[in-house]
Amino acid sequence: QLQMQESGPGLVMPSATLSLTCSVTGGSISHRDYYWGWVRQPPGKTLEWVGSIYYNGSTHYNPSLMSRVAISADTSKNQFSLKLSSVAASDTAVYFCAGHLGLVAFDPWGQGTPVVVSS
Amino acid sequence: DIQMTQSPSSLPASVGDRITITCRASQSIGHFLNWYQQKPGKAPKLLIYVASRLHRGVPSRFTGSGSGTDFTLTISGLQPEDFATYYCQQSYPEVTFGGGTKVDVK
Repeated sequence: QLQMQESGPGLVMPSATLSLTCSVTGGSISHRDYYWGWVRQPPGKTLEWVGSIYYNGSTHYNPSLMSRVAISADTSKNQFSLKLSSVAASDTAVYFCAGHLGLVAFDPWGQGTPVVVSS
Repeated sequence: DIQMTQSPSSLPASVGDRITITCRASQSIGHFLNWYQQKPGKAPKLLIYVASRLHRGVPSRFTGSGSGTDFTLTISGLQPEDFATYYCQQSYPEVTFGGGTKVDVK
């Protein structure tokens, strides 16, 4: 059974780069049916897709974040990572990683990791 | 980009009720519509995918329907564990989520 776990700093300085990693267990990120995605949720607000990656490195990003986002995958570690540059207070959110089945639906999800952008 | 509008945003209900949540897309998305349940402090859980397919392990009291621009999620016989926030999500061509519907105790 696939399980996802996010890790990374909970506090990031304004204008810095947010870096998070998602570790996948119970299956390989090289699974051909899956993309691997990041979704965030600001406090009290709805969900926002950040982007997704296929094991071969093919990426899809939210157009509104595309200029600041980079998602990469490390098949040797069975992990994928998110980098979001030039962060501001509006990037404060809980960040979830999730399997993105066929670029259609998200399942399973990690538990989420809160990130606060503040000096 | 495609906007997803959910209604209502809040839905007071009682155990045993049959409730319906609506999601409308700003343009046709075929059947590329999924529904999720989220409880406070937890990750969302997939309930329904491609408009009407029940995800494994999800009780049959949850049903999804619709195509094109109008979709519904129905819970028949609301259970105590169903009080939560529900989100729709489209994936054609880019992913966007609805604003959410909070189902709480009447």
